Amino acid sequence: AQTVTQSQPEMSVQEAETVTLSCTYDTSESNYYLFWYKQPPSRQMILVIRQEAYKQQNATENRFSVNFQKAAKSFSLKISDSQLGDTAMYFCAFADTGNQFYFGTGTSLTVIP
Amino acid sequence: GAVVSQHPSRVICKSGTSVKIECRSLDFQATTMFWYRQFPKQSLMLMATSNEGSKATYEQGVEKDKFLINHASLTLSTLTVTSAHPEDSSFYICSARTTRQETQYFGPGTRLLVL
Repeated sequence: AQTVTQSQPEMSVQEAETVTLSCTYDTSESNYYLFWYKQPPSRQMILVIRQEAYKQQNATENRFSVNFQKAAKSFSLKISDSQLGDTAMYFCAFADTGNQFYFGTGTSLTVIP
Repeated sequence: GAVVSQHPSRVICKSGTSVKIECRSLDFQATTMFWYRQFPKQSLMLMATSNEGSKATYEQGVEKDKFLINHASLTLSTLTVTSAHPEDSSFYICSARTTRQETQYFGPGTRLLVL
């Protein structure tokens, strides 16, 4: 079975600084997808970034980038130039070839003015 | 693109009544929709997966007779909580995807409170 682990329940960062959220996963599959979703206080789940396992290049989306280490089964999210609107719960998710999602327990990020 | 709506956003009902929650994909055809439940400060728990025109697949421990799911069209899935009880109070979230995409797009959620 697939598992996703987020070892940082809570994190904080000063506005305009950079923060990295950790995520590790366990799978025996070679082809899969990884995601980071953001859930602000409104509780709307918003897709932040997506990575295909077969792609070696790390995905980037504006201020958000990932460090995908397939051999280590690690998928961390880096947020640059943190903004107050980045305050949210962040969930790492794994999708297998059957397209079922497995979510981590989440990291609550607070951006401090 | 890839917008998913949910209605209602919030509902309060009496114990023993049934509540229907609608999930719609507004700008794409969703061959598969998912229903999740989320408790405060916890992750999402998958309840069931529904494919258009077929019966939903429920996760272990989820009562299919209590949580009725219908996916009658490529843009609409409904979750009906039958004979609701206070322990059913929770935040329910739907998501949708197409066959060509692995990404799930989420609705804004429905907060259910059963008195």
